[in-house]
Amino acid sequence: DGGITQSPKYLFRKEGQNVTLSCEQNLNHDAMYWYRQDPGQGLRLIYYSQIVNDFQKGDIAEGYSVSREKKESFPLTVTSAQKNPTAFYLCASSLQLGTAFSYEQYFGPGTRLTVT
Amino acid sequence: KNEVEQSPQNLTAQEGEFITINCSYSVGISALHWLQQHPGGGIVSLFMLSSGKKKHGRLIATINIQEKHSSLHITASHPRDSAVYICAALNYGGSQGNLIFGKGTKLSVKP
Repeated sequence: DGGITQSPKYLFRKEGQNVTLSCEQNLNHDAMYWYRQDPGQGLRLIYYSQIVNDFQKGDIAEGYSVSREKKESFPLTVTSAQKNPTAFYLCASSLQLGTAFSYEQYFGPGTRLTVT
Repeated sequence: KNEVEQSPQNLTAQEGEFITINCSYSVGISALHWLQQHPGGGIVSLFMLSSGKKKHGRLIATINIQEKHSSLHITASHPRDSAVYICAALNYGGSQGNLIFGKGTKLSVKP
């Protein structure tokens, strides 16, 4: 079945460590996105990618990094520079025929990261 | 002030009731998404609409671009409809679009 997978579902790290969150899709979508969700707040865009080997910063990119070496994969690294990394992270993808956000987005199940 | 406002924040209903969730936005948009987030965190896209009305099963979404307002209706609500419903406005600012998310409406349907 086509879809988006994120792993792991729960992740625990010590402060000061970098951690990489996985996102894989087999929908043949061009565009992929990373969002962060905090309690009582709307989703906020971290990074997005419209095509392989290209990505753009979103609203809250500081302390994060991404890569897009393959169409189906868009991993997110939460670096030690991110001041408040504990959050729920959601990956999404969509068709890309024109502007990235024009099409319905398909979301993964999310990864809940806790940093202590 | 948030650019996308949802009301109510929390909603409790009895099974079978007709439910309305509202979304107002202050930016010019080209489309609006309605999303459903289940307790486990996974998000499903329900609708994307830029005018008029869309219907899928017991769910109906309407949008009035001039009034900058959208509504999500659930007819004959059921406990399995319990979830957080999120609206997101597609705003074209600068050279790229951007999705602006509301904070969500938490719906609980009691049997």
